[in-house]
Amino acid sequence: QKEVEQNSGPLSVPEGAIASLNCTYSDRGSQSFFWYRQYSGKSPELIMFIYSNGDKEDGRFTAQLNKASQYVSLLIRDSQPSDSATYLCAVRTGKLIFGQGTELSVKP
Amino acid sequence: SAVISQKPSRDICQRGTSLTIQCQVDSQVTMMFWYRQQPGQSLTLIATANQGSEATYESGFVIDKFPISRPNLTFSTLTVSNMSPEDSSIYLCSVERGNYNEQFFGPGTRLTVL
Repeated sequence: QKEVEQNSGPLSVPEGAIASLNCTYSDRGSQSFFWYRQYSGKSPELIMFIYSNGDKEDGRFTAQLNKASQYVSLLIRDSQPSDSATYLCAVRTGKLIFGQGTELSVKP
Repeated sequence: SAVISQKPSRDICQRGTSLTIQCQVDSQVTMMFWYRQQPGQSLTLIATANQGSEATYESGFVIDKFPISRPNLTFSTLTVSNMSPEDSSIYLCSVERGNYNEQFFGPGTRLTVL
């Protein structure tokens, strides 16, 4: 079992819809959780982090954490074509472990 | 966040040669990290570099292949030695900032080995 798992996608949503990106992790001792956005040919950019159960909102982005289910998600409301990128989930268990990433495509 | 620069941004190298990648941060940090991202893959941690001590390498990475220097609190280098085409990757440095040790990445070095 991989330590951090994401669906590779691609996930395709129409412009204006909600994009839902999911991530599961194996280590129950994980302490903090991060979402990065990576445009093609660019380096990862931190967009959200969360460390306690529940929701955390920042603009159009909401991160959700459920430690009992070992599940973290990222919701993007009112998706825009500029949101098209690969989204990487990262989990801190001592060091930072990255998932494989989910490719998101927002169609105009 | 952090302002991180890397040099070179990209290079094409011949098999058997070595390349040194530089990473410069805008302010002092305790640890710097080096990652590799192979084509179509996620990020894999190569090593953690602390100033004044030997770098700590992850499983599968060795100092002879990836020597690291950390001469001060704002600078580090990663050398990719005796390169083969399998070393073709993006190499990224990163630093931690903030209360939850958020990690921020440099722009990366795109290496192609022929």
